[in-house]
Amino acid sequence: GESVGLHLPTLSVQEGDNSIINCAYSNSASDYFIWYKQESGKGPQFIIDIRSNMDKRQGQRVTVLLNKTVKHLSLQIAATQPGDSAVYFCAENSGGGADGLTFGKGTHLIIQP
Amino acid sequence: DAGVIQSPRHEVTEMGQEVTLRCKPISGHNSLFWYRQTMMRGLELLIYFNNNVPIDDSGMPEDRFSAKMPNASFSTLKIQPSEPRDSAVYFCASSLRRAPRAQYFGPGTRLLVL
Repeated sequence: GESVGLHLPTLSVQEGDNSIINCAYSNSASDYFIWYKQESGKGPQFIIDIRSNMDKRQGQRVTVLLNKTVKHLSLQIAATQPGDSAVYFCAENSGGGADGLTFGKGTHLIIQP
Repeated sequence: DAGVIQSPRHEVTEMGQEVTLRCKPISGHNSLFWYRQTMMRGLELLIYFNNNVPIDDSGMPEDRFSAKMPNASFSTLKIQPSEPRDSAVYFCASSLRRAPRAQYFGPGTRLLVL
């Protein structure tokens, strides 16, 4: 079936470097995407979203890129800090009036000092 | 403003017992979602409501699970009878129905069924 999946389960980066977390999706009808950050023992925290009529959106230290041609989504975190350590999920909404989100399996981002 | 509120935060119960999880969405939000998170299956949508009406319950595992939303500020997810395989973290999320439809999650209820 169609699903959202992440390429790498664990990503280790040096503090201060930029991080790139990738996500592949297979539902071409998806029209809305969200990145969430989940820290241990907490609920998913909204980071940034993007609609399918855009290919890039920037927030504070984060940028989301959407490539609809290859059905690929990425989250870039600039100047990674220790507080960025968490599991990151991409999620998609398939549109067509359905409001639920389909989540990827998550990438664990580890920040090394 | 308060975010999504869930209670209890932790629940330990014995197999066969009834479990009720509670959620208060963000004020003004008119969509409410229940998700379940496990190591094996990740985050899965169970059911969601628009304007207090259940829209899609196809993710509810079986008849032992039921959800209600009697008003715009309260929802419950009930498991009766509970089984060990129901052990998971249950999240409630809410959003506005209009675009961009970002969903905001509560802290979750960690359920352990012995």
